[in-house]
Amino acid sequence: DTGVSQDPRHKITKRGQNVTFRCDPISEHNRLYWYRQTLGQGPEFLTYFQNEAQLEKSRLLSDRFSAERPKGSFSTLEIQRTEQGDSAMYLCASSWGLAGDYEQYFGPGTRLTVT
Amino acid sequence: QQQVKQSPQSLIVQKGGIPIINCAYENTAFDYFPWYQQFPGKGPALLIAIRPDVSEKKEGRFTISFNKSAKQFSLHIMDSQPGDSATYFCAASIGGNNRKLIWGLGTSLAVNP
Repeated sequence: DTGVSQDPRHKITKRGQNVTFRCDPISEHNRLYWYRQTLGQGPEFLTYFQNEAQLEKSRLLSDRFSAERPKGSFSTLEIQRTEQGDSAMYLCASSWGLAGDYEQYFGPGTRLTVT
Repeated sequence: QQQVKQSPQSLIVQKGGIPIINCAYENTAFDYFPWYQQFPGKGPALLIAIRPDVSEKKEGRFTISFNKSAKQFSLHIMDSQPGDSATYFCAASIGGNNRKLIWGLGTSLAVNP
């Protein structure tokens, strides 16, 4: 399978615990995005990497959230001291990023439930 | 503030019908408009996308109509099938390096057999 993969698919955690999600983009894609989607809503942008550089962070990404893409390949999103409001689907997308090529391809998402 | 407004929120059609989903935007800096299809528990899948220099684009049974002056675009699904039952999202992005997507709230489509 050469699409975007995310792990785990589901995560249930207790409030106050830390969680980490992983995203493996399409191998030749240099751009990687994280979005968050709550029930009945469209995805909301969280952060964006070009290669290993994190170039933009949304105001939604509080200081409890951190994302990395250490070698410009896979990325991790960590949430510290989880809160019930963090319960959502966390989506990763990647794109090639050449001029004129804008298509973002999404992974299956990680569903986080904070109890 | 919803930068991309999508309607209707839900839609029911009979098999073979042509559901139409509409989106409107305010920011004239948007220059890329994709539509995504999402099934429950899955990530969004890119269906079709358009740039503002064309007024219509067709891919298979899916057509985007784009009205730049009205700042509106719509998705038409020809000969709809029960397998098309899903949530559809319009989105938009601005020229530049980032290309983050700004999304509508989605339309839940049900195609009855």
